[in-house]
Amino acid sequence: DIQMTQSPSSLSASVGDRVTITCRASQSISSYLNWYQQKPGKAPKLLIYAASSLQSGVPSRFSGSGSGTDFTLTISSLQPEDFATYYCQQSYSTSPTFGQGTRLEIK
Amino acid sequence: EVQLVESGGGLVQPGGSLRLSCAASGFTFSSYWMHWVRQAPGKGLVWVSRINSDGSSTSYADSVKGRFTISRDNAKNTLYLQMNSLRAEDTAVYYCARVSIPNDAFDIWGQGTMVTVSS
Repeated sequence: DIQMTQSPSSLSASVGDRVTITCRASQSISSYLNWYQQKPGKAPKLLIYAASSLQSGVPSRFSGSGSGTDFTLTISSLQPEDFATYYCQQSYSTSPTFGQGTRLEIK
Repeated sequence: EVQLVESGGGLVQPGGSLRLSCAASGFTFSSYWMHWVRQAPGKGLVWVSRINSDGSSTSYADSVKGRFTISRDNAKNTLYLQMNSLRAEDTAVYYCARVSIPNDAFDIWGQGTMVTVSS
């Protein structure tokens, strides 16, 4: 299975900050990388697909980049509603795998 | 409205069985591959199983292979997960999720159904 490793595991930031979360794959996955946001007690929500494409309805302050093994999710200016856990997920193999999650907390 | 609604979760003893359902509405269910993803309490997301659009091809995580069976009824717009020989480590919220065309991302998720395996 392809292993996905996110860093950091947790992050404290303030409203208005620029935040970057990193995801690394154990082998090349081209651009088959997706990002999700999950709030407590809720289902995950798709933010970014194919590494850099913004899902319909997602604010433009979210962006993704990368290819191969290294990817980033950037939130340009944190809003109160952005405090949540973020997961990367590879869709390169027939067995999708997720990163362990990055918990974004209010400083 | 595009929607997935899971049901069938509950408390079951180790070694027992449970069948989860996922009712789809608002889209052409028969056109989409579907997956089950689970999340143990306080833990991350783990892929469980997938089925192609007509039900002819399935795949499973090693941890559930031989115990879980995914299926679908396109006439009823419903996805299923039959879970047998349940273990304590199967305790989790189970989500059904639709795979987007052609982007291979999970674009629609159900609200989840909780499965607790305990004596």
